[in-house]
Amino acid sequence: NAGVTQTPKFQVLKTGQSMTLQCAQDMNHNSMYWYRQDPGMGLRLIYYSASEGTTDKGEVPNGYNVSRLNKREFSLRLESAAPSQTSVYFCASSLQGLGTYEQYFGPGTRLTVT
Amino acid sequence: LAKTTQPISMDSYEGQEVNITCSHNNIATNDYITWYQQFPSQGPRFIIQGYKTKVTNEVASLFIPADRKSSTLSLPRVSLSDTAVYYCLEGSNDYKLSFGAGTTVTVRA
Repeated sequence: NAGVTQTPKFQVLKTGQSMTLQCAQDMNHNSMYWYRQDPGMGLRLIYYSASEGTTDKGEVPNGYNVSRLNKREFSLRLESAAPSQTSVYFCASSLQGLGTYEQYFGPGTRLTVT
Repeated sequence: LAKTTQPISMDSYEGQEVNITCSHNNIATNDYITWYQQFPSQGPRFIIQGYKTKVTNEVASLFIPADRKSSTLSLPRVSLSDTAVYYCLEGSNDYKLSFGAGTTVTVRA
């Protein structure tokens, strides 16, 4: 049981390049999330997927797109990377309906845009 | 934007009890209060959640007064490995959890 896995762990992009961050969970969770964390700050929600087949914007969606490929996988795409998108990106998942707000987080992807 | 207010940092020594208080001045009736822990270079980890009164698990205790305008996370007998950032959150679903800057707890030997 690997929990939430993310690839890649590190990435350096040049301004204008595109890339996709991959996330997968093996806990049969319904909901999945993408966050970004800038140095010394808390996490900000980019997009979330409440269930397979649905996605919704979070607090900071501009410059990103997401795809809920299936129940296990939720990817985040940067179409044209900008230096302001330099951050650590965390994927998370949760099982809805239990009355708890326990999200399980992946190890993160450190992205630098030059 | 984060809806809660908590101290930026706290220092403690091994074996002491650490209490972190968070303000929930605009908490909604349906909101639960949840605390997460984050170690350097890792994603946050759920610690505890409550609605009112006191909740205890194997890691921590959570105290919520009757007016629910604040919450206090209590970490008993901390060790060096408890050095981390602690976040308090409020919400009625986990689609819109808002993490503020958190409280950096440093435990010294």
